[in-house]
Amino acid sequence: KQEVTQIPAALSVPEGENLVLNCSFTDSAIYNLQWFRQDPGKGLTSLLLIQSSQREQTSGRLNASLDKSSGRSTLYIAASQPGDSATYLCAVRPNSWGKLQFGAGTQVVVTP
Amino acid sequence: EAQVTQNPRYLITVTGKKLTVTCSQNMNHEYMSWYRQDPGLGLRQIYYSMNVEVTDKGDVPEGYKVSRKEKRNFPLILESPSPNQTSLYFCASSFKGQGGYEQYFGPGTRLTVT
Repeated sequence: KQEVTQIPAALSVPEGENLVLNCSFTDSAIYNLQWFRQDPGKGLTSLLLIQSSQREQTSGRLNASLDKSSGRSTLYIAASQPGDSATYLCAVRPNSWGKLQFGAGTQVVVTP
Repeated sequence: EAQVTQNPRYLITVTGKKLTVTCSQNMNHEYMSWYRQDPGLGLRQIYYSMNVEVTDKGDVPEGYKVSRKEKRNFPLILESPSPNQTSLYFCASSFKGQGGYEQYFGPGTRLTVT
């Protein structure tokens, strides 16, 4: 059974620092991996989607890497801002139609 | 605007009173699903649907029903709600874009069963 782990569970950094969020999964046979952002009491916003054949994806200040063989993905957020404060979730999909398996998330606080 | 909508956004009800949470997407997505989110347990899939009239159980289907009569709608039905179904519910839909299947989520429905 696929298990997705996110460490740390919570992270606090001063504004301007780079953020590094980790996601690990136990079964490397994945179709894709998706990073989401969730603000308190709100829905999930898709940040980046990485196909199993890809090594990384970039969008603005965000960069996500994928090492499928070792079962790890890392989300980098450059030059963090207070508006980046949120919970970040990673999720893996086992096949094209299968359900997403979520990690528990990393709660990020960026202090001004 | 492409979106997944859910109604109601907030609902307080009593044990045993049947309720329906609606979900609609305007993106012509084939795949739709329902999740619940609970502290310490994360997001867990309740039911999913791969197309009209095709539905299947997720990880935690007990106490829930779904139907998919139209492509755009995927309502979640609680026939006899119980307090352990108090949770934050999300509807989601997927399409196959350039990067593969990407999931989009609705804004959530916070349900309290007393």
